[in-house]
Amino acid sequence: DGGITQSPKYLFRKEGQNVTLSCEQNLNHDAMYWYRQDPGQGLRLIYYSQIVNDFQKGDIAEGYSVSREKKESFPLTVTSAQKNPTAFYLCASRPGTGPYEQYFGPGTRLTVT
Amino acid sequence: GQNIDQPTEMTATEGAIVQINCTYQTSGFNGLFWYQQHAGEAPTFLSYNVLDGLEEKGRFSSFLSRSKGYSYLLLKELQMKDSASYLCAVPLTGGGNKLTFGTGTQLKVEL
Repeated sequence: DGGITQSPKYLFRKEGQNVTLSCEQNLNHDAMYWYRQDPGQGLRLIYYSQIVNDFQKGDIAEGYSVSREKKESFPLTVTSAQKNPTAFYLCASRPGTGPYEQYFGPGTRLTVT
Repeated sequence: GQNIDQPTEMTATEGAIVQINCTYQTSGFNGLFWYQQHAGEAPTFLSYNVLDGLEEKGRFSSFLSRSKGYSYLLLKELQMKDSASYLCAVPLTGGGNKLTFGTGTQLKVEL
């Protein structure tokens, strides 16, 4: 089945550690996105990538980094510089152009203590 | 820039009809999306409106008025499983096919 996978579902880390969240898609989509969701708030865009080897900062990129070495993969690293990393992280993808919806992965809930 | 407003919470009765409103302000318009999100899960696509009017899809319908910067999602014959957050989103101008999301409307369906 085609889709987007994120792993793990739940992740726990100590403060000061970097952590990488996985996002893989087999939909052959060009564009991929990372969002953060906090309770009572909408989705906020962290980073996005329209093609391999290219990515752009979203609204809240500070303390995060990404790479896009393969079309299928768009991992997100939450660095120790991110002041409030505990959140629900969602990855999404869509075909490159046109009025297409974004397809979301199941999300990773990161807790940093 | 873009700004989206939705009510924070709504409660409705099983079997009833509920209308969830969304108003937006955008420098350029390229359609409006509605997503459903159950707690702790991924948002799932419900509808996309780019022209004025009502689009019906089973129990769910979505309406758009571009001149008023207004959309609503209409849910008929409510079921308990419809209890979820409903997110309104509009594409950002400036490329990248980015979306800006409202904070979502938490719908609770009661017996």
